[in-house]
Amino acid sequence: SAVISQKPSRDICQRGTSLTIQCQVDSQVTMMFWYRQQPGQSLTLIATANQGSEATYESGFVIDKFPISRPNLTFSTLTVSNMSPEDSSIYLCSVEDEFLAGVSDEQFFGPGTRLTVL
Amino acid sequence: LAKTTQPISMDSYEGQEVNITCSHNNIATNDYITWYQQFPSQGPRFIIQGYKTKVTNEVASLFIPADRKSSTLSLPRVSLSDTAVYYCLVGARYSGGYNKLIFGAGTRLAVHP
Repeated sequence: SAVISQKPSRDICQRGTSLTIQCQVDSQVTMMFWYRQQPGQSLTLIATANQGSEATYESGFVIDKFPISRPNLTFSTLTVSNMSPEDSSIYLCSVEDEFLAGVSDEQFFGPGTRLTVL
Repeated sequence: LAKTTQPISMDSYEGQEVNITCSHNNIATNDYITWYQQFPSQGPRFIIQGYKTKVTNEVASLFIPADRKSSTLSLPRVSLSDTAVYYCLVGARYSGGYNKLIFGAGTRLAVHP
């Protein structure tokens, strides 16, 4: 398995500002993903963080709003830019690697970052 | 990606067996069925995965009929700590690429004393 930490665990931000969320894994992993979970809702995939190249975004999410970095195989950041109250959510990173998952292809999730935008 | 349908919520009592059924009528030949569990204020956690028939691990059992259009997650003798949201996902297995998880609404299980 993998141990994943996220910073910050929670934050309260003002409208129009930006917040960068960090995701750190305790081992090198092939794939890293970022999800959003709005209050009481299910998870929605934002993008796949590709090491050494631009992230792959899902429909409805764009790089200008959610820039992502992945400088190495253990670390990624997600920035929520020009925030509005609609961005209030829990943001989670997850990782997948065939050597971690063994016979399955499970993803391992971080604890999430709870963001409130006023 | 196959769409899944689950009950929105279920209630149970400690010590009972809980069965959560997921419908996935459009499942593809290469698709596997995977269940995740999410506790409040935590990220989802993998429970079990299967392709057909029955799979059992230390946490749960997964029953998949021959037509694979549905699956049932069985939790034996639940306790209060099993109160969580359970997600059923359907998709192709990792094969050198990656497994893009599409979460449905999930089933909110409440276990009562």
